[in-house]
Amino acid sequence: ETGVTQSPTHLIKTRGQQVTLRCSSQSGHNTVSWYQQALGQGPQFIFQYYREEENGRGNFPPRFSGLQFPNYSSELNVNALELDDSALYLCASSLEASGRSYTGELFFGEGSRLTVL
Amino acid sequence: GDSVTQMEGPVTLSEEAFLTINCTYTATGYPSLFWYVQYPGEGLQLLLKATKADDKGSNKGFEATYRKETTSFHLEKGSVQVSDSAVYFCALVKAAQKLVFGQGTRLTINP
Repeated sequence: ETGVTQSPTHLIKTRGQQVTLRCSSQSGHNTVSWYQQALGQGPQFIFQYYREEENGRGNFPPRFSGLQFPNYSSELNVNALELDDSALYLCASSLEASGRSYTGELFFGEGSRLTVL
Repeated sequence: GDSVTQMEGPVTLSEEAFLTINCTYTATGYPSLFWYVQYPGEGLQLLLKATKADDKGSNKGFEATYRKETTSFHLEKGSVQVSDSAVYFCALVKAAQKLVFGQGTRLTINP
């Protein structure tokens, strides 16, 4: 069983640039969530995708956008990067079904560390 | 809004010591509660969970009891090992399907 993989692991961008982060979900999982973890802080929910549709969004501006593909892999795009976007971006996958109670058992990747200069 | 507050770290203990990491939450309704752990160089992993009041979650010698009257979910272990060194996150979830995490507590166990 393949776990959650993220790429790239590290990257450096300059203010105003755009970045795309990628995530392959664990085999059999249909839901992907993205979190931002600033240094010394807990992860903050960005958004979730379920069957290629956005299914919940946290308090992040529209320049944070995402996609989920038919194979359930996902991308996080951030436009017009700001210094405060420097963080570890975590992808988590889970198997969800409509109408179910949410168990909170997410399977996380190791993250993509973004530095904005 | 919903929030989770953990005891400030870092926490440093000797091997075989007793561990408590405090966690309290603020939420409407009936959230489920979790402890996640992040070992060095690895992704977050679910350590244990409890879905209703008075439930006790346990795993790898760690325990936490869902106390609705005190809105707490403190993590405990009777005898810690060097391999328990990690960052521990308390979290909650409701029907909104997003985890709300505390700020994390870094634990270091010395031999």
